[in-house]
Amino acid sequence: AQTVTQSQPEMSVQEAETVTLSCTYDTSESDYYLFWYKQPPSRQMILVIRQEAYKQQNATENRFSVNFQKAAKSFSLKISDSQLGDAAMYFCAYRAGAQKLVFGQGTRLTINP
Amino acid sequence: NAGVTQTPKFQVLKTGQSMTLQCAQDMNHEYMSWYRQDPGMGLRLIHYSVGAGITDQGEVPNGYNVSRSTTEDFPLRLLSAAPSQTSVYFCASSYSQGALSGNTIYFGEGSWLTVV
Repeated sequence: AQTVTQSQPEMSVQEAETVTLSCTYDTSESDYYLFWYKQPPSRQMILVIRQEAYKQQNATENRFSVNFQKAAKSFSLKISDSQLGDAAMYFCAYRAGAQKLVFGQGTRLTINP
Repeated sequence: NAGVTQTPKFQVLKTGQSMTLQCAQDMNHEYMSWYRQDPGMGLRLIHYSVGAGITDQGEVPNGYNVSRSTTEDFPLRLLSAAPSQTSVYFCASSYSQGALSGNTIYFGEGSWLTVV
């Protein structure tokens, strides 16, 4: 069974600094997708970034980028120039084809002004 | 551009009552699913559907029923509410197969359910 592990329950960073959130996963599939979702206090699930496993190039969305290491089954999220609005729970998620989305336990990110 | 719409947003139930959480999407997605999120935890899959007339169980299906009579709608029924079902419920949808979409799952805004 596929599993997703986020080993950092909480992280904090100074405003304008860079922070990296870790995620590892376990799968026997060769083709799959990885996601980072942001959940602010409103509880809305917001897609931050998406990575296709068959692409070697790391995905980037403005201040958000990933470090995708397929062999190591690692998928970390880097947030550059952290802003107060980045404070939220961040969930790493995995999906293979039409299968269910499997979530990690989440990392609570605090931004210190 | 409605996306995934859930109703109600907030609900308080008494133990033993039944209710239905509604979910509708206007993106012609084949795949729809229901998740629950308990405090300090990620989302756990309750039930899912890969198309009209087809449903299947997820990780935590007990106490819930679903049906999928149309592509657009995927209601979640609580048969006899229990305090353990107090949670935030999310409906989500996506294309079943779609390299172009990246299989991205889109979420509704959540339904906060309290069972007393």
